Amino acid sequence: DGGITQSPKYLFRKEGQNVTLSCEQNLNHDAMYWYRQDPGQGLRLIYYSQIVNDFQKGDIAEGYSVSREKKESFPLTVTSAQKNPTAFYLCASSIAGTGQETQYFGPGTRLLVL
Amino acid sequence: GESVGLHLPTLSVQEGDNSIINCAYSNSASDYFIWYKQESGKGPQFIIDIRSNMDKRQGQRVTVLLNKTVKHLSLQIAATQPGDSAVYFCAENMNYGGSQGNLIFGKGTKLSVKP
Repeated sequence: DGGITQSPKYLFRKEGQNVTLSCEQNLNHDAMYWYRQDPGQGLRLIYYSQIVNDFQKGDIAEGYSVSREKKESFPLTVTSAQKNPTAFYLCASSIAGTGQETQYFGPGTRLLVL
Repeated sequence: GESVGLHLPTLSVQEGDNSIINCAYSNSASDYFIWYKQESGKGPQFIIDIRSNMDKRQGQRVTVLLNKTVKHLSLQIAATQPGDSAVYFCAENMNYGGSQGNLIFGKGTKLSVKP
């Protein structure tokens, strides 16, 4: 069953703690993305990667970090520097990252602060 | 700045009626557009896309219209069903600098279908 998986579905973060959100895809897509969604808002791009071992900052990268060691995996770390991390985080992938193709989304991870 | 927006934040329709969801975009250089459906607590689901060399594209029960003259995009859903209730987002591809491949999303329109 092909697709994008994200885990966990819910994640709780204590103040000062770093947490990592998982994103895996078995679609053989080159490009992967992380978005943040706040209530009543559109999606905002955090980071994206068009190829293994390379990634670029999006519009709201501060307080976040990523890695792309494998084609199928693009984990996002929410660091303690992110002062307002409560949001719904969405991972997506696309074939090549050219901008002329569909991005397919995972089910999302909801991050809450204790 | 450049942005994608929506004319109506909420839309309520009767089951069986047709729905029209509108989207305005401001970058005339955008050349690829996508409509997504997002149900509560879930990730966005692809509905239909259209490229700027087209004015209209049809899918199953859905039609997307692109008017480049007024920079307007619409999604038409025929015979709306309760399962169509969701938030609908439009997104545009806006190449700028080295950010090729990035989609810019509107805030969404909530569609409610009354039985």
